[in-house]
Amino acid sequence: LAKTTQPISMDSYEGQEVNITCSHNNIATNDYITWYQQFPSQGPRFIIQGYKTKVTNEVASLFIPADRKSSTLSLPRVSLSDTAVYYCLVVSGATNKLIFGTGTLLAVQP
Amino acid sequence: EAGVAQSPRYKIIEKRQSVAFWCNPISGHATLYWYQQILGQGPKLLIQFQNNGVVDDSQLPKDRFSAERLKGVDSTLKIQPAKLEDSAVYLCASSLESTGNTIYFGEGSWLTVV
Repeated sequence: LAKTTQPISMDSYEGQEVNITCSHNNIATNDYITWYQQFPSQGPRFIIQGYKTKVTNEVASLFIPADRKSSTLSLPRVSLSDTAVYYCLVVSGATNKLIFGTGTLLAVQP
Repeated sequence: EAGVAQSPRYKIIEKRQSVAFWCNPISGHATLYWYQQILGQGPKLLIQFQNNGVVDDSQLPKDRFSAERLKGVDSTLKIQPAKLEDSAVYLCASSLESTGNTIYFGEGSWLTVV
């Protein structure tokens, strides 16, 4: 499975748009990208997933360039409750196995 | 729709004792996963079931950890004997099938070994 690299931490303020970029240089043709959010004392929660170009749902947008070697999770107008760890994962289309890295700790301040 | 249920939520045991965690996946989900999450790290896959068969248990320390999913629904993860380094959150997750489906996690079972 492709290894992912993302910033260890990011800071933001309420109301700002936050973009977290993840690199996955060795992504395979059948792999897709998925992002999870984890609050303290809770299990990871699915945010969004995509294969290429742009995906948007009610929570976030995911931008994937044509070469698919990176992806950017965009959180519009964050609030204090968005403070969490965000994991970028490359998922094998063959096994559906999630391999987590250390994630990005997003701290949203008032 | 009910989520992935896990119990117990918290457990404290002494080293060399045994412990068991139970998981009830989302109804109809064929694939079940157990992850171990040590404080400050991302979850690590221990074992993946497809119905009642094991798909991947390459990261499961089989000398002390065991897991079963006898009827293809509920699952139990057991640790015997426990070591201090087993202190972690044990997360159960499930997905509809083994490929291309969203994986849903439970709240986790917190284990402290003293």
